[in-house]
Amino acid sequence: RKEVEQDPGPFNVPEGATVAFNCTYSNSASQSFFWYRQDCRKEPKLLMSVYSSGNEDGRFTAQLNRASQYISLLIRDSKLSDSATYLCVVNILYGNKLVFGAGTILRVKS
Amino acid sequence: DTAVSQTPKYLVTQMGNDKSIKCEQNLGHDTMYWYKQDSKKFLKIMFSYNNKELIINETVPNRFSPKSPDKAHLNLHINSLELGDSAVYFCASSRDSDAFFGQGTRLTVV
Repeated sequence: RKEVEQDPGPFNVPEGATVAFNCTYSNSASQSFFWYRQDCRKEPKLLMSVYSSGNEDGRFTAQLNRASQYISLLIRDSKLSDSATYLCVVNILYGNKLVFGAGTILRVKS
Repeated sequence: DTAVSQTPKYLVTQMGNDKSIKCEQNLGHDTMYWYKQDSKKFLKIMFSYNNKELIINETVPNRFSPKSPDKAHLNLHINSLELGDSAVYFCASSRDSDAFFGQGTRLTVV
């Protein structure tokens, strides 16, 4: 089983749509969680951290369910500029080890 | 001011050659990483260093040798390059949890 699993997509959505991505992780000792965004031929960049209480940043909402080892990202009112690959990332407890999911491709179309 | 910079950005070389990629961060972070992103876009950790000490070596072939002269630098030397080494190599640094990435080095072995 992969340490971090995501649906690769692609998710093709119209502008203005709401889209949700899910991610599961296998290591219960994981201590911190993130969503990164990677544009084509660019480096990954932190989109937001994910907390158990859930957190929101503008149109983006992230949720963590530790019991189910499940992380989600919700994007409301999708923009063309949201088109990218979204990477679910887990920081494993032992040492500093950020483990990346394979990424979910989002394509927002006009 | 570039936070994490790596050179070169592009590297085309023949099989069997030895090459190095350099990475420097000016963020004052204690931890640095090398990641490999292959043609399937999966981002996989190779090495993690904390304060110049190797923390994680993810079963990378011995042909890959990282070197950290100080905590702001983490270089990657690759001996006897093979076709399968072709990928984008990302350097990253972090303090506590999330990481900042360099722009990547696109290595093509011919």
